[in-house]
Amino acid sequence: VQLLESGGGLVQPGGSLKLSCAASGFTFSSAGMSWVRQAPGKGLEWVSAISDSGANTFYADSVKGRFTISRDNSKNILYLQMNSLRAEDTAIYYCAKDLHDYWLIWESWGQGILVTVSS
Amino acid sequence: EIVMTQSPATLSVSPGDRATLSCRASQSISSNLAWYQQKPGQAPRLLIYDASTRATGIPARFSGSGSGTELTLTITSLQSEDFAVYFCQQYNHWPYTFGQGTTLEIK
Repeated sequence: VQLLESGGGLVQPGGSLKLSCAASGFTFSSAGMSWVRQAPGKGLEWVSAISDSGANTFYADSVKGRFTISRDNSKNILYLQMNSLRAEDTAIYYCAKDLHDYWLIWESWGQGILVTVSS
Repeated sequence: EIVMTQSPATLSVSPGDRATLSCRASQSISSNLAWYQQKPGQAPRLLIYDASTRATGIPARFSGSGSGTELTLTITSLQSEDFAVYFCQQYNHWPYTFGQGTTLEIK
């Protein structure tokens, strides 16, 4: 299993950014996926999840209405569109694959991508 | 929201010894708990789920126990690669929540 995030960087408050996660080594269309973030020196925070088909999406209250998770099962890519970014969204964002037959327990993780929201 | 409290915040243990990490839930979570290990600069790694089931490839020196509000991760015969930060995560009540982490350091 390989998960490779991209699209991070520095953005001003109020700005937008779109993260991508390229997946390989497993049947992507059969796996629930999530984004989990970690502010510098802090703990883990689940951000958003999407079902295997993409029909169902879920968000933490802290990002609801600002972030949108999606997936392209034909390309094996997971996305996170982040709008109206705030300083408190600064974190390493991890793409993570659900443990088989479980929801929001992650058996595989990407290496993470840093998002910095600052003026 | 269920609050997960891990203790101690930092645990100093000598290689070869046993480490016991605690995770307390603000209400019962049955056995719906996972443990993750995170080394500096790396992504977390799933160690344990369902409180006591080891994930694929996890050595037998890692074991989980407990249910309800008091759960424990025990690491026996500590190896150098085991010194890291450990997080617990409950998945019994929405939203699923993490503990703040325990840093296991070399004594």
